[in-house]
Amino acid sequence: AQSVTQPDIHITVSEGASLELRCNYSYGATPYLFWYVQSPGQGLQLLLKYFSGDTLVQGIKGFEAEFKRSQSSFNLRKPSVHWSDAAEYFCAVGINFGNEKLTFGTGTRLTIIP
Amino acid sequence: GAVVSQHPSWVICKSGTSVKIECRSLDFQATTMFWYRQFPKQSLMLMATSNEGSKATYEQGVEKDKFLINHASLTLSTLTVTSAHPEDSSFYICSAPTTGSSYEQYFGPGTRLTVT
Repeated sequence: AQSVTQPDIHITVSEGASLELRCNYSYGATPYLFWYVQSPGQGLQLLLKYFSGDTLVQGIKGFEAEFKRSQSSFNLRKPSVHWSDAAEYFCAVGINFGNEKLTFGTGTRLTIIP
Repeated sequence: GAVVSQHPSWVICKSGTSVKIECRSLDFQATTMFWYRQFPKQSLMLMATSNEGSKATYEQGVEKDKFLINHASLTLSTLTVTSAHPEDSSFYICSAPTTGSSYEQYFGPGTRLTVT
């Protein structure tokens, strides 16, 4: 079965600083990879996804992620964070294209300091 | 993007009673919906897959007689927590995937259930 690891439970960065959130997956083949953000009172919002092709994917809100097969990783990055980026971030993996359930990582809580 | 709603957003009930949570896809049809449970500061755990017109598929360890799922139409799935107990208190989230090449799952805002 597939699994997802987000090693960092909580990360604090200064506003304007760069950000990288780590995600590692375990699956025998190439999975479908997702990053979601969850803000209080809001549903999970998709930031970006990787199915195939270019391993560097661009998402919304200035986020990007890079799929590295050799490292089984799909790290999320942003060059300059804004206070509004404070939220919980989840990496997720799916193994089938279509109506398939997702396996989520444990999440990383991002705190932004002025 | 597509919108998924949940109702209620929060509910408090007494131990032993049942609670129904609705999940609606507002602008698209969903033959499949997923129900997740999220404990405080933890990840989302898939509980079951709701299938329109057929029985739900439950994940291992989830009591199907306790968490009743009905997918009444292409836009509505309900989760009923029967004979609720304090340990059922949690945040319940539904999602509905779109189909086609732009595959994406849309999540509802969640329902906070507190059982006293």
